[in-house]
Amino acid sequence: NAGVTQTPKFRVLKTGQSMTLLCAQDMNHEYMYWYRQDPGMGLRLIHYSVGEGTTAKGEVPDGYNVSRLKKQNFLLGLESAAPSQTSVYFCASSSPDQADTQYFGPGTRLTVL
Amino acid sequence: GQSLEQPSEVTAVEGAIVQINCTYQTSGFYGLSWYQQHDGGAPTFLSYNALDGLEETGRFSSFLSRSDSYGYLLLQELQMKDSASYFCASGGSYIPTFGRGTSLIVHP
Repeated sequence: NAGVTQTPKFRVLKTGQSMTLLCAQDMNHEYMYWYRQDPGMGLRLIHYSVGEGTTAKGEVPDGYNVSRLKKQNFLLGLESAAPSQTSVYFCASSSPDQADTQYFGPGTRLTVL
Repeated sequence: GQSLEQPSEVTAVEGAIVQINCTYQTSGFYGLSWYQQHDGGAPTFLSYNALDGLEETGRFSSFLSRSDSYGYLLLQELQMKDSASYFCASGGSYIPTFGRGTSLIVHP
């Protein structure tokens, strides 16, 4: 089992460019999450999904969109990147009966110039 | 909404015992989780307390008191590799909120 994987691992964008971050999990988890982590801010929830075809906004959703077309994949999109979106992005998944046990991917380090 | 408070930094010496506290204010509280994150790495799950009391997993223990809205992570026989950030998290249903993390520095 690979667990939770994320691509890419690193990316540098210019302001205004777009990109998609891919998260995949092979644990058959219903719930998937996207977080951003900034120094001193902990983990902040961007969007989440409780099942295939469903998504919902988290604490800091502005400037991001998501899609969950397949149960195992959760995509995070930045339509027009801004320097304020420079961060480390983590994807996580969990099962409904153990929602408080989250499994995290290795992270994507994004820099927006 | 939910908010969790934990100290920003704790230091200790190798072999010692250290306690990392977490206080929370939540609506719809389900339980308290703890995660460890090494520099440059991903958070990894350590423990979860749904009920009051102490849960022990090897050198790590976690405690919860719902009446006091308080929990802690206890690390015993500290090792250098325990230097990391530790996050408490509260899951309201399936939407967790994380504290800002405690940086644990273990000195030789």
